[in-house]
Amino acid sequence: DAKTTQPTSMDCAEGRAANLPCNHSTISGNEYVYWYRQIHSQGPQYIIHGLKNNETNEMASLIITEDRKSSTLILPHATLRDTAVYYCIVRVNTGGFKTIFGAGTRLFVKA
Amino acid sequence: EAQVTQNPRYLITVTGKKLTVTCSQNMNHEYMSWYRQDPGLGLRQIYYSMNVEVTDKGDVPEGYKVSRKEKRNFPLILESPSPNQTSLYFCASSRIGQGSEQYFGPGTRLTVT
Repeated sequence: DAKTTQPTSMDCAEGRAANLPCNHSTISGNEYVYWYRQIHSQGPQYIIHGLKNNETNEMASLIITEDRKSSTLILPHATLRDTAVYYCIVRVNTGGFKTIFGAGTRLFVKA
Repeated sequence: EAQVTQNPRYLITVTGKKLTVTCSQNMNHEYMSWYRQDPGLGLRQIYYSMNVEVTDKGDVPEGYKVSRKEKRNFPLILESPSPNQTSLYFCASSRIGQGSEQYFGPGTRLTVT
């Protein structure tokens, strides 16, 4: 199973871009990278996912390196409400859809 | 509104008293899953289900049972709860397929004394 590593915590100034890195060096060719975030103890919220190409939606952008061993989630204009724990996961497929979350990155957006 | 619901949201119980946490989704998703979250350990998968009558173990299945008799429901059963099962539990659902994001419920905070 591919696993991910993320920094424990990061700070970002309000209004600036937040760039959250993730390493997934053992990812296999058919595995997607997903990003979720969790605010306090609420249920995690889906942000974005991708396979090979960069992706963008109304919440964020996802940049995946060409070798797919790492990715970066970009929140273009961070707000105080973006303070949360961000999880990068790789969706495995071992005859089912076992999902492995890491510890995530705690992002603090400061005024 | 598309959602995953869990009940109860909070539960305090005693060691050995069987309990069930219900999970229901209204999105006709094939895939459902249970996670527990403990401080410093992130989310860990307990069980998942690919469809009705199809379930499989996640990383921490010991002490838990699940069943999937209907597509919309995926209850988590603790036959004999112990204090080390005190945790925050989340249910999630998604379509089948690698590109399918999971929708999470609001969580159930369980305390076993």
